[in-house]
Amino acid sequence: GESVGLHLPTLSVQEGDNSIINCAYSNSASDYFIWYKQESGKGPQFIIDIRSNMDKRQGQRVTVLLNKTVKHLSLQIAATQPGDSAVYFCAEASVYQLIWGAGTKLIIKP
Amino acid sequence: NAGVTQTPKFRILKIGQSMTLQCTQDMNHNYMYWYRQDPGMGLKLIYYSVGAGITDKGEVPNGYNVSRSTTEDFPLRLELAAPSQTSVYFCASTIPGQGNSPLHFGNGTRLTVT
Repeated sequence: GESVGLHLPTLSVQEGDNSIINCAYSNSASDYFIWYKQESGKGPQFIIDIRSNMDKRQGQRVTVLLNKTVKHLSLQIAATQPGDSAVYFCAEASVYQLIWGAGTKLIIKP
Repeated sequence: NAGVTQTPKFRILKIGQSMTLQCTQDMNHNYMYWYRQDPGMGLKLIYYSVGAGITDKGEVPNGYNVSRSTTEDFPLRLELAAPSQTSVYFCASTIPGQGNSPLHFGNGTRLTVT
């Protein structure tokens, strides 16, 4: 069946360093992936997305990499800031719905 | 635009009570969704709607009902609350005709059933 999972439940990063959050998916037919950020007490917020015809997409301080060979995607956050503290979810699009992973909690150390 | 608005923010129910979680959006989005999120977990789809008058079950629909009489509103109904329905409920919407576009979420309703 389809599943999306994350490699690490918690990631601690020094402020100013780069963060890399990883995600594995199992449905090789999926063609659209999204990263969301969820701050405490709030709903998920869209960060960046990527379609399967791309292997890299950059936003402001964020980059998503897609490796279809090993069914893996990652979210890279440059120069991590305290405001980046949140839980990050990858989601795999399937028809009308998204399949969500459990999330990775990003902790920023001062 | 206010985006996606959910009410109430918090609610405590006794077992067997019923309630309606309200969701409204002002972005003219055709697609709307209800998710639940248990502690430390991702989101699970309860119901979704691709337009007014059309609803369909998601992954975990048991114990819930929805209606979509207008484009703006997508209420979620719990008829006989059970402790297993203790969760945070999120409503979301997305732009017309593109079900795979990024979702816009409300800030959630935290429900406790005791």
